Amino acid sequence: DTAVSQTPKYLVTQMGNDKSIKCEQNLGHDTMYWYKQDSKKFLKIMFSYNNKELIINETVPNRFSPKSPDKAHLNLHINSLELGDSAVYFCASSQGQPYGYTFGSGTRLTVV
Amino acid sequence: AQSVTQLDSQVPVFEEAPVELRCNYSSSVSVYLFWYVQYPNQGLQLLLKYLSGSTLVKGINGFEAEFNKSQTSFHLRKPSVHISDTAEYFCAVSFTGGGNKLTFGTGTQLKVEL
Repeated sequence: DTAVSQTPKYLVTQMGNDKSIKCEQNLGHDTMYWYKQDSKKFLKIMFSYNNKELIINETVPNRFSPKSPDKAHLNLHINSLELGDSAVYFCASSQGQPYGYTFGSGTRLTVV
Repeated sequence: AQSVTQLDSQVPVFEEAPVELRCNYSSSVSVYLFWYVQYPNQGLQLLLKYLSGSTLVKGINGFEAEFNKSQTSFHLRKPSVHISDTAEYFCAVSFTGGGNKLTFGTGTQLKVEL
């Protein structure tokens, strides 16, 4: 029974397309996150939602738009994809500070 | 400024040898500290965490870490590594008042060789 699940696991698309990544958690956590992991494995936070409310919005191009229909779901929509968007995107959830995160298995996005 | 540093990008070690992966942080406020492991093509898994209390923290898979406030460090150790420990290890810090945002170090690739 997967705690944090992301779909799809792999996504290959052409430049200029629009795509979405979905995330769901069944842990009852109030807070969810999107992180981007680049080719050098560096992890950077993009967004955080607490009970459907956006609380962290790092410096991310506005082509990226998160949406949280309820506290168990956090989706990421990306418009006009660029080559530099190629990365692994991780969804995570948390009970809140000081607890750590539970991560999904990631979505590997490749823009060609 | 608040930050976390993993000085070693790669650590090669022979099987059954001990290993230490270093993590240092910089902060003017209290912190919570974590180590995560990422196996190839997988997500991140929590190894252990320091929230308060005893400075020696034991985690899964035989790993442990020691919080040293004076040296602002949280180094990860294992007395005897196995081939299956080959993975990327990330130190992460949550700063009090920071909204539970986890700031990750740049990672250390542990490569265990026969």
